[in-house]
Amino acid sequence: ETGVTQTPRHLVMGMTNKKSLKCEQHLGHNAMYWYKQSAKKPLELMFVYSLEERVENNSVPSRFSPECPNSSHLFLHLHTLQPEDSALYLCASSQELGLAVRLEQFFGPGTRLTVL
Amino acid sequence: AQTVTQSQPEMSVQEAETVTLSCTYDTSESNYYLFWYKQPPSRQMILVIRQEAYKQQNATENRFSVNFQKAAKSFSLKISDSQLGDTAMYFCAFMKHRNSGGSNYKLTFGKGTLLTVNP
Repeated sequence: ETGVTQTPRHLVMGMTNKKSLKCEQHLGHNAMYWYKQSAKKPLELMFVYSLEERVENNSVPSRFSPECPNSSHLFLHLHTLQPEDSALYLCASSQELGLAVRLEQFFGPGTRLTVL
Repeated sequence: AQTVTQSQPEMSVQEAETVTLSCTYDTSESNYYLFWYKQPPSRQMILVIRQEAYKQQNATENRFSVNFQKAAKSFSLKISDSQLGDTAMYFCAFMKHRNSGGSNYKLTFGKGTLLTVNP
């Protein structure tokens, strides 16, 4: 396991439910990311936070709502999702955004989301 | 905008043999970074190797090496002495250089190549 954890690992929800995905990084990084991974498609960047400030919202529908209370934690709040939102949601962190010597993004194991 | 293409959805190789995964990309940037990420069946994606476009020397990490052809916009990954633990999805990714401005932290991924190493 890397220093990025995600809970839950699996989630099944109905279209009217409200749920949240949690990500925590233990690496002392300042930037955190949410990605969506669907079958046979490239990873899609959803949101980016740097020092708890959102710097990127990649045209994500409002039924996905991110929250970054501090640099170690990142949440993705879900409500009134659609079946096509079923996917693996990956969290990642990096030392800083693009300007740091080290650019590596460290990924969590993901949350497998199924929307019924 | 950048695009990354991995033309091989699936590949297989025998244990101990060598395999090469292909990646091409399209960009108007002159300086950038290229990455290969590995995602084993457990789903945790890890960085395999990184190449900086201004460096002509191909990156190498133990059994993993790249063939970076900047003019052809090609970035292939060679895995030598394949091991069963190399079975995974492999993603090629592109990032603008940190001095490029704009969203220079975005990783643009290809669709991936599923590599199976057979005993």
